[in-house]
Amino acid sequence: QVQLQESGPGLVKPSETLSLTCTVPGGPISSYYWSWIRQSAGKGLEWIGRVNPSGSTNYNPSLNSRLTMSVDTSKNHFSLKLSSVTAADTAVYYCVRHAAGSDAFDIWGPGTMVTVSS
Amino acid sequence: DIQMTQSPSSLSASVGDRVTITCRASQSISTFINWYQQKPGKAPKLLISVASILQSGVPSRFSGSGSGTDFSLTISTLQPEDFATYYCQQSYSTPYTFGQGTKLEIK
Repeated sequence: QVQLQESGPGLVKPSETLSLTCTVPGGPISSYYWSWIRQSAGKGLEWIGRVNPSGSTNYNPSLNSRLTMSVDTSKNHFSLKLSSVTAADTAVYYCVRHAAGSDAFDIWGPGTMVTVSS
Repeated sequence: DIQMTQSPSSLSASVGDRVTITCRASQSISTFINWYQQKPGKAPKLLISVASILQSGVPSRFSGSGSGTDFSLTISTLQPEDFATYYCQQSYSTPYTFGQGTKLEIK
């Protein structure tokens, strides 16, 4: 069973950059698309963006100007950077795998809570 | 963005009941809808993809139907472990969007 694991700071200061990495032990990261999703009490589940094995990305327009996602197939991980964070970016962040052929999210990491506060 | 509207937002039911949760899309999404179950403190779990495809390991009491703009998730005979929050999600176009959730509680 494929497992995903998010890692990164749990506390980020306002105006700084939130950086998270998702590791896929055993891979193969190169066979699937990968997304980040966040969940906050105020906004429910929000899709952030996706990256494919070649590094092509699609971002949620609501976050597009602040967002960078990348993939490193040699290390079996992909990453998220969200700049200029505010308290509205406080949420649980999940990395997820796209199911082959459907763009349903079939594998989820356990999630990591990120709080934006000074 | 495609808006996904779930109803009801909460539902009280008893073990053994049959329950149906509906989801309406703001435009036609064919059958590109997926359903998830989330328990407190856990990540969502994919139950059904492409409107009606039951995921491996998901009990057959779960079923999905619909196409176009109107969809439903049905649990035929509620079990104690089914009390959770359920979400629909459209995968027709980016940005992918979710319904606001339906919290299924024990009556």
